[in-house]
Amino acid sequence: GAVVSQHPSWVICKSGTSVKIECRSLDFQATTMFWYRQFPKQSLMLMATSNEGSKATYEQGVEKDKFLINHASLTLSTLTVTSAHPEDSSFYICSAREPPTYEQYFGPGTRLTVT
Amino acid sequence: DAKTTQPTSMDCAEGRAANLPCNHSTISGNEYVYWYRQIHSQGPQYIIHGLKNNETNEMASLIITEDRKSSTLILPHATLRDTAVYYCIVRGTLNYGQNFVFGPGTRLSVLP
Repeated sequence: GAVVSQHPSWVICKSGTSVKIECRSLDFQATTMFWYRQFPKQSLMLMATSNEGSKATYEQGVEKDKFLINHASLTLSTLTVTSAHPEDSSFYICSAREPPTYEQYFGPGTRLTVT
Repeated sequence: DAKTTQPTSMDCAEGRAANLPCNHSTISGNEYVYWYRQIHSQGPQYIIHGLKNNETNEMASLIITEDRKSSTLILPHATLRDTAVYYCIVRGTLNYGQNFVFGPGTRLSVLP
């Protein structure tokens, strides 16, 4: 099946700094990518949907100025957590949709810890 | 909101079949049933999906009732590595614009 990678797999940053997470579709072109967040012992919650070449659509309650999403190419989407705070510590998972089947493949996730 | 209900947790003995139920009583005719699982600290892994016929692959079997209001995922010979949270999700063929909505899933513990 199609492969989605994320980098880094884990990151620790200090409060107030920004961190960028990359999501790549390795063997297919993804016109749509999704970013999820998962807190301990909870399910995945969709943060935003990004379409290549256009602005991301954010879910209600997700601050678009804090979580910057860029989907500049058909194989790469990035999530930047700006001015990170400890409450942003979470497991961030991206997913990419493969046309024309529209099947959705998930990345391995990135563990963010803000100290 | 998730359109499925699953038991919160289940145990299964290693080597035995694990049968995970899912209710999707409001499923519509063009919606597929998908199963994913998430092993601790990893991204969701696709298992299987189906529309109305039973499906089988190298990982599992999916049994969908005739009225399509419920389904069962069967892991024929569970191993310790099958311990994970299993998510049952419905998604239609006419709403590809929608992403997968994850409910709380079933936490399967395979016991030695």
